Amino acid sequence: EPEVTQTPSHQVTQMGQEVILRCVPISNHLYFYWYRQILGQKVEFLVSFYNNEISEKSEIFDDQFSVERPDGSNFTLKIRSTKLEDSAMYFCASSESTRGANVLTFGAGSRLTVL
Amino acid sequence: QKEVEQNSGPLSVPEGAIASLNCTYSDRGSQSFFWYRQYSGKSPELIMFIYSNGDKEDGRFTAQLNKASQYVSLLIRDSQPSDSATYLCAVNTGGFKTIFGAGTRLFVKA
Repeated sequence: EPEVTQTPSHQVTQMGQEVILRCVPISNHLYFYWYRQILGQKVEFLVSFYNNEISEKSEIFDDQFSVERPDGSNFTLKIRSTKLEDSAMYFCASSESTRGANVLTFGAGSRLTVL
Repeated sequence: QKEVEQNSGPLSVPEGAIASLNCTYSDRGSQSFFWYRQYSGKSPELIMFIYSNGDKEDGRFTAQLNKASQYVSLLIRDSQPSDSATYLCAVNTGGFKTIFGAGTRLFVKA
């Protein structure tokens, strides 16, 4: 079964450092997403990406965050100058289409711990 | 502010019983509705989706949608201990953003 792959599974970083989280979406999917889940809280939308550009972003996704599709397979989330409150599980997701039901397939997540 | 509300639980049911999970949403323009299951420390996985009023059945799971009441529910028949997880209701208004509820924890007692 096709799956979304995320690396690293866990990253520990110092406050103020830059972090890059990587994702390989399902190959025939066209829409890519980043969500985050702070421990014990709800899954929150960060950003969607389609046709090599951001299609929608939330108020959480400020100038500290950026996304990129550097090649034909990887999709990355960069967090500049990490803060303690960035500690969370970050989920990459992809979907085949947004027409009809936009079914998200999630990766296993990257747990970010900011010290 | 578009919201998806769920009772946090825990909802505890005996093995073999029917578990009923409920969700309300605030945006009347919402078009598709999802139930995801999330085991502790894992990512959400899709159980089923629905976008028409009424019931949709898939094995032991039935999703029910009432757009007039802005209400979605999930019934799990013959609940098993392996169904113990957090169930996330999610709503999409037709664009790129899917909004998740905080989830209902379900505990199925053997």
